[in-house]
Amino acid sequence: EAGVAQSPRYKIIEKRQSVAFWCNPISGHATLYWYQQILGQGPKLLIQFQNNGVVDDSQLPKDRFSAERLKGVDSTLKIQPAKLEDSAVYLCASSLAAVVQETQYFGPGTRLLVL
Amino acid sequence: AQKVTQAQTEISVVEKEDVTLDCVYETRDTTYYLFWYKQPPSGELVFLIRRNSFDEQNEISGRYSWNFQKSTSSFNFTITASQVVDSAVYFCGLNAGKSTFGDGTTLTVKP
Repeated sequence: EAGVAQSPRYKIIEKRQSVAFWCNPISGHATLYWYQQILGQGPKLLIQFQNNGVVDDSQLPKDRFSAERLKGVDSTLKIQPAKLEDSAVYLCASSLAAVVQETQYFGPGTRLLVL
Repeated sequence: AQKVTQAQTEISVVEKEDVTLDCVYETRDTTYYLFWYKQPPSGELVFLIRRNSFDEQNEISGRYSWNFQKSTSSFNFTITASQVVDSAVYFCGLNAGKSTFGDGTTLTVKP
């Protein structure tokens, strides 16, 4: 079974530019998560989707970050405009359902460097 | 609010030593899950274990064991007879509706 796919793996941009990340979850997984992992810290949840609806986006900086999951499968996360402090690894995860006992499976992440 | 604390930032051991990674959590919820992930140098988070708040039985899986103590709000992870391949960052976390991760413990196992 294929795991969670993410692209690109690496991205370098200058501040104030825009960037987008793509995630394809494990087939059949209804719930998709985006996390931000700053160097030396644990992952921080940005947004959680159940199918194509948002379950939790309380920690998403909505003035610059946006995410969508239009058909309940793939998802994109966008940053516009980027700031230096957005340099981090952006992790996508998926689970069968949005219940606390479900295991989240993570993709390899996209490493973003903002100069 | 939920909080997970991994007080040990870095641990270094020599191969074959036993090592325990500490995890302390805070939550007001009575139903929650605790978990551990491993993040090797490649960067991908690998699931290790999940435990629900009503099950305080210790668990052993090969060289790995976990000790859950609700009285001290701890969920510690022990690796017995450590190996170089165990070198990674280990994250403890809590899910009571939303996942919260600790900041990780970097384990280095030297040959």
